[in-house]
Amino acid sequence: SQTIHQWPATLVQPVGSPLSLECTVEGTSNPNLYWYRQAAGRGLQLLFYSVGIGQISSEVPQNLSASRPQDRQFILSSKKLLLSDSGFYLCAWSVRGGGIQPQHFGDGTRLSIL
Amino acid sequence: GIQVEQSPPDLILQEGANSTLRCNFSDSVNNLQWFHQNPWGQLINLFYIPSGTKQNGRLSATTVATERYSLLYISSSQTTDSGVYFCAAYTGTASKLTFGTGTRLQVTL
Repeated sequence: SQTIHQWPATLVQPVGSPLSLECTVEGTSNPNLYWYRQAAGRGLQLLFYSVGIGQISSEVPQNLSASRPQDRQFILSSKKLLLSDSGFYLCAWSVRGGGIQPQHFGDGTRLSIL
Repeated sequence: GIQVEQSPPDLILQEGANSTLRCNFSDSVNNLQWFHQNPWGQLINLFYIPSGTKQNGRLSATTVATERYSLLYISSSQTTDSGVYFCAAYTGTASKLTFGTGTRLQVTL
């Protein structure tokens, strides 16, 4: 069966520090991969999605970037964190092709910026 | 882009009560998904439902795509049903999701 892992689960970082969040999927090949952010008390907003290695689409302008160095690895990064980057970050995957496929979410990373 | 609105925003129920959550979307969608976010933040898939009705235990969902809405029914609510319920609409390619604003449900004893 397929599983998705995110780490770390919780992170506290100072303003201006770099960021790297990692997401990996097991048990499937060539997935679509997604990064979402959830601000406190709000819904989820799609930040990036990827349909293949090195292919990244950004949905909203922001201080963050994403990379996909391997088929089942998706990384969210920042060179200098802002206070507004605080939130709950979720990674998701879906089967690529065969029409619209449901997304499956990881357990998330709770990021606090001090 | 598409707008997804949910109602009510907050709901308090006594254990054993039934409830209906509504999701309206502003444009046609390829598919629709309901999630439950538990107090630990985990998003749990409930239903993947482009149209029609599906049931899973005490939960059921109905999507009327032509009228651009979906309903989630919770019967005989339990305290473990507490959390936030999101609907999310699939549009375009790459299975992109647009989430609704959520309904925060609290079930009390």
